[in-house]
Amino acid sequence: GAGVSQTPSNKVTEKGKYVELRCDPISGHTALYWYRQSLGQGPEFLIYFQGTGAADDSGLPNDRFFAVRPEGSVSTLKIQRTERGDSAVYLCASSLTRTDYGYTFGSGTRLTVV
Amino acid sequence: AQTVTQSQPEMSVQEAETVTLSCTYDTSESDYYLFWYKQPPSRQMILVIRQEAYKQQNATENRFSVNFQKAAKSFSLKISDSQLGDAAMYFCAYLRDDKIIFGKGTRLHILP
Repeated sequence: GAGVSQTPSNKVTEKGKYVELRCDPISGHTALYWYRQSLGQGPEFLIYFQGTGAADDSGLPNDRFFAVRPEGSVSTLKIQRTERGDSAVYLCASSLTRTDYGYTFGSGTRLTVV
Repeated sequence: AQTVTQSQPEMSVQEAETVTLSCTYDTSESDYYLFWYKQPPSRQMILVIRQEAYKQQNATENRFSVNFQKAAKSFSLKISDSQLGDAAMYFCAYLRDDKIIFGKGTRLHILP
């Protein structure tokens, strides 16, 4: 597609539920990133895919968070047993192999856990 | 540790005037990339300008320019002829190991 697409735009879920957030990167971009942006903060790195594999998942806060990218294109961020502290905007970005030109970001999914 | 510090949580500037947003960073590397991103209410992060650390010349993109002081680890953004559409959050960021590390941001208000 022309840009990075994230769905849903907004998601409200109850504490303890499971959620999936989807990211559709720019066609041909091999690198894909997930970030989390809490209110009043800058985006914080979660995980980075190069192709189908997670090249760096050091930012995932705990084992309730997991992400996949099975065919090297669309990625899904999965959060189990959601907690109120998981409420944030989850941003996805993609880039060609080299990242020194910066990423292209999507508009994010605002997750609210009630 | 790699950190990016933006000491101005909010700033205001009169329309058509010039404003400078400050950023300092911490690194032990000699070769790296720096960015300024803009985040309007739509939430999408938009790349404003990038700087390669090995280049001494300051980057410029139309009304946006940077003052890159490598020894001082300072990377400020200057916006000239400010426009209402420049109102947004601005994030300074640093690239290393294929990850971009962001500061906490500066909210810029444009006064008509």
